[in-house]
Amino acid sequence: EVQLVESGGGLVKPGGSLRLSCAASGYTFSSYAMSWVRQAPGKGLEWVSGVSGGGRSTYYADSVKGRFTISRDNSKNTLYLQMRSLRAEDTAVYYCAKCLGSFGPNSYFDYWGQGTLVTVSS
Amino acid sequence: DIQMTQSPSTLSASVGDRVTITCRASQSISSWLAWYQQKPGKAPNILIYKASSLESGVPSRFSGSGSGTEFTLTISSLQPDDFATYYCQQYKSDWTFGQGTKVEIK
Repeated sequence: EVQLVESGGGLVKPGGSLRLSCAASGYTFSSYAMSWVRQAPGKGLEWVSGVSGGGRSTYYADSVKGRFTISRDNSKNTLYLQMRSLRAEDTAVYYCAKCLGSFGPNSYFDYWGQGTLVTVSS
Repeated sequence: DIQMTQSPSTLSASVGDRVTITCRASQSISSWLAWYQQKPGKAPNILIYKASSLESGVPSRFSGSGSGTEFTLTISSLQPDDFATYYCQQYKSDWTFGQGTKVEIK
């Protein structure tokens, strides 16, 4: 059974940093691309970042480019999102999602984690 | 960047109704389109991929159609478990979601 479990969320001040983790199990982690998707309170879904199965190709939404870094450790079956220079508008539930393919684009999300809440506030 | 526009934003319907949600892409995405269902406090679940392919385990009352820039999600006979928010997503170039359609009880 595929399981994705996010952690690392919490309260952080504007300008601060936070690293989210997503522990994967139940499938061959390195064979599939992964993404982060966020949802601000009461709002819709926003794709944030993606990474290929091998970790060499990364993708970012314009809203986070230069501030967030996606990475993965295939030996630990874990996906990361390093978030820096956080702003109030980054407040959201952050979901990790498994892509059906290994490369990234042209691949939809077939499994999602339960999400972790990030609150950016002074 | 490819923009996705869903309509309507909210839809009021009754059990047994046929429901249609529309999604438009700002440029052609061929059939690289997925539909997700999300219930309050839960992660989204995949319903349809490649515009019209039903994900395994999803009831057959859900169907998708379209290609290029115009797509629809249809629920043939709305069931109590279907009251939720639905999102389209393009995955031709990176990924983009529509703004969502909330299906409410009439």
